[in-house]
Amino acid sequence: QSVLTQPPSASGTPGQRVTISCSGSNSNIGGNFVNWYQQLPGTAPKLLIYSSNQRPSGVPDRFSGSKSGTSASLAISGLQSEDEADYYCAAWDDSLNGRVFGGGTKLTVL
Amino acid sequence: QVTLKESGPALVKPTQTLTVTCTVSGFSLSTSEMRVSWIRQPPGKALEWLARIDWDDDKFYSTSLKTRLTISKDTSKNQVVLSMTNMDPVDTATYYCAARIDSGWYDYWGQGTLVTVSS
Repeated sequence: QSVLTQPPSASGTPGQRVTISCSGSNSNIGGNFVNWYQQLPGTAPKLLIYSSNQRPSGVPDRFSGSKSGTSASLAISGLQSEDEADYYCAAWDDSLNGRVFGGGTKLTVL
Repeated sequence: QVTLKESGPALVKPTQTLTVTCTVSGFSLSTSEMRVSWIRQPPGKALEWLARIDWDDDKFYSTSLKTRLTISKDTSKNQVVLSMTNMDPVDTATYYCAARIDSGWYDYWGQGTLVTVSS
């Protein structure tokens, strides 16, 4: 059971906009920044969004992150087949004094 | 250019102690605000944070695993080492190290090393 809650799956057709949610509490998302990671099969996680809404250079602006209260969201617009991957959210938890991850969301491009 | 590379045994026996090493380049382990974490991922499962060590030698551990974990760093070798005692088949996973090199939340990850626990 992960501390951060993500839907196990999401899907969309090419060109669509998809949103993945990440729900936490005051001790993690509510008081700290959120990172999002994309993991393609057989590869290491890749930083997609950091500090809740910042994109590393090289990440397309189709990807955006937001945070409100104790929840965060990753939005992918103009969905492409290469976006098919697992997505994870993460945040520091002040109560646990450690980092916590979501259970991951498997995105399927139909 | 910041890079991290994990190394360690591919196979360990139950009850043994696992030692994995993260060798970093492109920054110093004594750089202010530097933090290196270990994260693992069992096959087909989610990411799990294990431990973190900071530039000032402050250490943080997963509450569920803290009795089994020890994290340390050797600044002269640019290495961060994680030890996990009493290994069990459920500890079979890819072990990743990740680093933050400033006060922000941008982090760099290694490629991971797969450790299988089996007799």
